[in-house]
Amino acid sequence: DIQMTQSPSVLSASVGDRVTLSCKASQNINKNLDWYQQKLGEAPKLLIYFTNNLQTGIPSRFSGSGSGTDYTLTISSLQPEDVATYYCYQYNSGLTFGSGTKLEIK
Amino acid sequence: EVQLVESGGGLVQPGRSMKLSCAASGFTFNNYDMAWVCQAPKKGLEWVATISYDGSSTYYRDSVKGRFTISRDNAKSTLYLQMDSLRSEDTATYYCASLGGGFDYWGQGVMVTVSS
Repeated sequence: DIQMTQSPSVLSASVGDRVTLSCKASQNINKNLDWYQQKLGEAPKLLIYFTNNLQTGIPSRFSGSGSGTDYTLTISSLQPEDVATYYCYQYNSGLTFGSGTKLEIK
Repeated sequence: EVQLVESGGGLVQPGRSMKLSCAASGFTFNNYDMAWVCQAPKKGLEWVATISYDGSSTYYRDSVKGRFTISRDNAKSTLYLQMDSLRSEDTATYYCASLGGGFDYWGQGVMVTVSS
């Protein structure tokens, strides 16, 4: 099974900061990766699909990149409403979520 | 507006069964593969099962194979998850989700607690 490792597990940043969340796969997943945002008490929401495609309605401050085993979600200017846990998800072989990165405001 | 509304959760004893439903509206249900994703209390997300748009193909995570059955009724725009031989480790919030590009729409989730 492919393992997905997200880092850091907790990230504290200031409003306006550029924030980078990482997701590393245990083997090449050929860009078959999505990013989800889950706010406290809510269902997850799709942000990015197939590595770098912004889901409809998601603010353009969110972007995704990566290839092979290493993937990144970037928030260009952190907003208070971005406080959430972020999960990567691979569907190249089996279906696996990462363990999540909890994003907090400093 | 797309809506996915789960129902059928609650408290159940170990070894017993429970059936979850997910009523879909606002999109052409029979064009989409559908899935169940779960989240144990204070834990991360786990994919549970997927069913193809026409119900002809189903897929399960190893820990639920042989115990859970995903199904759908396209005439009723409803997704189901039959859960048998429940274990304490099945305790979680269960979300239904549509599979467009990714899990593009999610229900609000339904809690299943397996305990004696």
